[in-house]
Amino acid sequence: EVQLVESGGGLVQPGGSLRLSCVASGFTFNDHYIDWVRQAPGKGLEWVGRSRNKANTYSTDYAASVKGRFTISRDDSEKSLYLQMNSLTTEDSAVYYCARGYCDKSGYVGLDSWGQGTLVTVSS
Amino acid sequence: QSVLTQPPSASGTPGQRVTMSCSGSGSNIRSNYVYWFQQLPGMVPKLLIYKNNQRPSGVPDRFSDSKSGTSASLAISGLRSEDEADYYCAAWDDSLSAVVFGGGTKLTVL
Repeated sequence: EVQLVESGGGLVQPGGSLRLSCVASGFTFNDHYIDWVRQAPGKGLEWVGRSRNKANTYSTDYAASVKGRFTISRDDSEKSLYLQMNSLTTEDSAVYYCARGYCDKSGYVGLDSWGQGTLVTVSS
Repeated sequence: QSVLTQPPSASGTPGQRVTMSCSGSGSNIRSNYVYWFQQLPGMVPKLLIYKNNQRPSGVPDRFSDSKSGTSASLAISGLRSEDEADYYCAAWDDSLSAVVFGGGTKLTVL
């Protein structure tokens, strides 16, 4: 069974940093993309960033709103993806989901499995 | 403001067919696949439609999508009470090098 479990959320002051983790199980981790998507309370989904698979040299992309502040890294040996968040503002308060970007022989298919999310609250 | 534009709400009665739109531009919807997600109240988003009207296993064929130019639409036929949820469209944007989401449409089953 495919599972993604996020952790690391919590309360942080504006300007602070936080590192989120996403641990995967039930699939070959380096064959697929992993995205971070966030959702502020009562709001819609906002894409944060992506780590592609080994076949795509683990390249990353970020939303403009987080570029230069957030960094995605992955440890295939631990089947884990990390989101390092720096210079946090109140606008970054949200539930952060990691989601698998399933890839088959023809390439990227879609975000087919999502974790339960971890809540980040940026407040003084 | 979301890059993809969705109406904030839609409604229908059981058994009815409802559609909801997703408007974008040449750098996203026109050039790339559109994805649809369903988020039931209090739940995690779920992939509904991918890559030109493909449905993951378990998604009924009551759900379908279409695309024309810079707009896409999700259609739900034979509406059921359990379809009451938020629906989001998404696509890759070549200009932004990013995934863009619509603001979501809240579907109410009357």
